[in-house]
Amino acid sequence: DTEVTQTPKHLVMGMTNKKSLKCEQHMGHRAMYWYKQKAKKPPELMFVYSYEKLSINESVPSRFSPECPNSSLLNLHLHALQPEDSALYLCASSQVFGTQYFGPGTRLTVL
Amino acid sequence: DAKTTQPTSMDCAEGRAANLPCNHSTISGNEYVYWYRQIHSQGPQYIIHGLKNNETNEMASLIITEDRKSSTLILPHATLRDTAVYYCIVRVASGGSARQLTFGSGTQLTVLP
Repeated sequence: DTEVTQTPKHLVMGMTNKKSLKCEQHMGHRAMYWYKQKAKKPPELMFVYSYEKLSINESVPSRFSPECPNSSLLNLHLHALQPEDSALYLCASSQVFGTQYFGPGTRLTVL
Repeated sequence: DAKTTQPTSMDCAEGRAANLPCNHSTISGNEYVYWYRQIHSQGPQYIIHGLKNNETNEMASLIITEDRKSSTLILPHATLRDTAVYYCIVRVASGGSARQLTFGSGTQLTVLP
């Protein structure tokens, strides 16, 4: 089984809201990733967690706050987003040096 | 990670083989070639990867040239459901900590009925 689940599938939020995106995997992977994908563009890395510790932060604004509470879960907390943050947010997981498997994504719209 | 170059778009007739090329002329000896595809508005789907030998699985075959500077992904009998953007990605697969995938622009494959 190579399933990564993400909730919610769609999210609409105002610029003053606080919301969270959730990602879960049960493959025993110890690396988890957040990517952002704008329309008609390739995915771009935001964060990497390795053994539940943040190992890469691609200079993402502080209004995006990742959290890895355990080896199966990855959250992305959102606060005071801008309309230009509207995008598809993708979660992936892998063994630390292995193949990455992606979830279906959360389509975020910021009004 | 080495940069890759792919054609922007390709068409293929349904039932025929789709051959998607990728150039990675600056690839290092410890870098793997990965292929993913992304059907519209879905998450990228892993297809196959390889280091130097040709690889085959239930989805596709990967042919890597002897000098490793280019590769070809082969979908043997393309169907309409294979219409997607195909990404060729080169990545080191060992050492240090977890590494990201750096996506290029990919190839839009359209399978025609």
